[in-house]
Amino acid sequence: DSGVTQTPKHLITATGQRVTLRCSPRSGDLSVYWYQQSLDQGLQFLIQYYNGEERAKGNILERFSAQQFPDLHSELNLSSLELGDSALYFCASSERGNSNSPLHFGNGTRLTVT
Amino acid sequence: DAKTTQPTSMDCAEGRAANLPCNHSTISGNEYVYWYRQIHSQGPQYIIHGLKNNETNEMASLIITEDRKSSTLILPHATLRDTAVYYCIVRSDSNYQLIWGAGTKLIIKP
Repeated sequence: DSGVTQTPKHLITATGQRVTLRCSPRSGDLSVYWYQQSLDQGLQFLIQYYNGEERAKGNILERFSAQQFPDLHSELNLSSLELGDSALYFCASSERGNSNSPLHFGNGTRLTVT
Repeated sequence: DAKTTQPTSMDCAEGRAANLPCNHSTISGNEYVYWYRQIHSQGPQYIIHGLKNNETNEMASLIITEDRKSSTLILPHATLRDTAVYYCIVRSDSNYQLIWGAGTKLIIKP
């Protein structure tokens, strides 16, 4: 158990809809990362937050947004969903967010868009 | 950021040591070597990381060559549950997010 909690584990929704994925980081970790993994693909970095502030952005679509709250949990909002958004979405957290601070991953949310 | 090269797949007998190589010939002095593994559709699991010195924890050992151009992850007594895709990643302070390659698919055989 990594200590990172993601909810829900599974989500099935229709095209055009909006969903929110939630992540609780490990106790004491200040940085949160979001990744997308499509079927049999590698992990694609979406966005990183550190102590409530956005730190880095990757290949995140404009239809997607995220935030980190004062209690350090994070939410990833996906809107105007398309079939191609079906994927595993992973959240990870790290203590400090620098290169000597390992990321610890949750078990992901499996999103299916029909 | 340095790229890494890993074999596509490897086999290892259960109970033997699994040695997974990684080349990172363009690594810079401030870049760390990280190892993760992912068991099918689960979240990636952190294994170990290091900068220059060899490292050991309860899961594995990491051997980094003196010139830092390559490294080896050693699972000392492989079990069937170690079957996974193993990723070697080089990470600098400008690469907060980790960049994932294709990894090595390690199959542990009874």
